[in-house]
Amino acid sequence: EVHLVESGGGLVQPGGSRTLSCAASGFTFSGAAMHWVRQASGKGLEWVGRIRTSSNNYATAYGASLQGRFTISRDDSTNTVYLQMNSLKPEDTAVYYCARLHRLPRGAPLDHWGPGTLVTVSS
Amino acid sequence: DIQMTQSPSSVSAYVGDRLTITCRASQSISKYVNWYQQKPGKAPKLLIYSTSTLHTGVPSYFSGSGSGTEFTLTISSLQPEDFATYYCQQTYSLPLTFGGGTKVEFK
Repeated sequence: EVHLVESGGGLVQPGGSRTLSCAASGFTFSGAAMHWVRQASGKGLEWVGRIRTSSNNYATAYGASLQGRFTISRDDSTNTVYLQMNSLKPEDTAVYYCARLHRLPRGAPLDHWGPGTLVTVSS
Repeated sequence: DIQMTQSPSSVSAYVGDRLTITCRASQSISKYVNWYQQKPGKAPKLLIYSTSTLHTGVPSYFSGSGSGTEFTLTISSLQPEDFATYYCQQTYSLPLTFGGGTKVEFK
């Protein structure tokens, strides 16, 4: 069974940094692209970014609104994907989800999601 | 970026009702639209991908259709467990984008 669990959320001061982790199990992690999606309280879903596999040179891509403040990385030896967030703003306050990309060759959906971790940016 | 406009934003319905949710893309996205269901305090769950393919374990009273820029999610007979918020998503191109959501509530 696919299992994703995020951790690392909490209270961060504006301008601060935080790194989230997502531990994966139940599938061949090294063969899956991984995504991060966030959701502010009472709001919709916003795509944060993704990291592809080693066969795709661990290519990353991010939502434009993040303006280079976020970095996604992965460790295939520990089945973990990370989201490093810098220069945090109050508007970054959200639940952050990691999700696995389905293995379709084109237009794949996010077929499994973790329960999410809450990041609150406030002084 | 491709904008996904979802309607209605909320709807009240009875158990047993037939319900249709529409998603319009700002440009053609072929068949690459997916639908997710989210319940309060929970992560989204994939329902349908590539317009009309049901994800594993999803009941057959859910269906999807459309192409190009217009897509629909249909629930043929609402069940109590289907009261939730539904999101469309395009995976035609990056950045991936979601519709604003449709909240389905008890009438």
